[in-house]
Amino acid sequence: KAGVTQTPRYLIKTRGQQVTLSCSPISGHRSVSWYQQTPGQGLQFLFEYFSETQRNKGNFPGRFSGRQFSNSRSEMNVSTLELGDSALYLCASSLVLAEVGQYFGPGTRLTVT
Amino acid sequence: GESVGLHLPTLSVQEGDNSIINCAYSNSASDYFIWYKQESGKGPQFIIDIRSNMDKRQGQRVTVLLNKTVKHLSLQIAATQPGDSAVYFCAEITTGANSKLTFGKGITLSVRP
Repeated sequence: KAGVTQTPRYLIKTRGQQVTLSCSPISGHRSVSWYQQTPGQGLQFLFEYFSETQRNKGNFPGRFSGRQFSNSRSEMNVSTLELGDSALYLCASSLVLAEVGQYFGPGTRLTVT
Repeated sequence: GESVGLHLPTLSVQEGDNSIINCAYSNSASDYFIWYKQESGKGPQFIIDIRSNMDKRQGQRVTVLLNKTVKHLSLQIAATQPGDSAVYFCAEITTGANSKLTFGKGITLSVRP
């Protein structure tokens, strides 16, 4: 069974631009969560989607948004990029909402210059 | 607010020795505590979890201990191998409507040959 895939793996953007990251969960998994990982703040929860609806949201500004499609694939968007948005963005999937054992993808490394 | 933190940033052990990674948490309402392993270039990988009403749980070469009195969680790795070298995160989750994973900062385990 294929794992969680994220595209692209690496991305370089300029301040003020916007970016869209994609996540394909494990087949059959309906819940997708997004996390931001930085050396200073560690792993921080962004949001979780289940059945195309955002079910939970972390403490991030409105520039961070996401969505989930009917096939459970998810995208997250960051608008008006700031230098501090440089991070590894991780996606995790699970069968059901808020499941303990989530499966993480390899992440997308975003660098904002 | 709730937080999950790790006592030490790095741990170096000799191959074959046992490793003990410690973690402190502050949210007494957490339902589960989880350990993740993250290798370079990969997303976190679920190792083991323990429900809040348990004190100990064993897996393959790993044991998680939960001391609710002092809000302390530990991961014991038996016969540490070079492949165990990674960053380890403790995390907690409170299941329910607003459930989310809250991660600690991470500790690097380095195994000396």
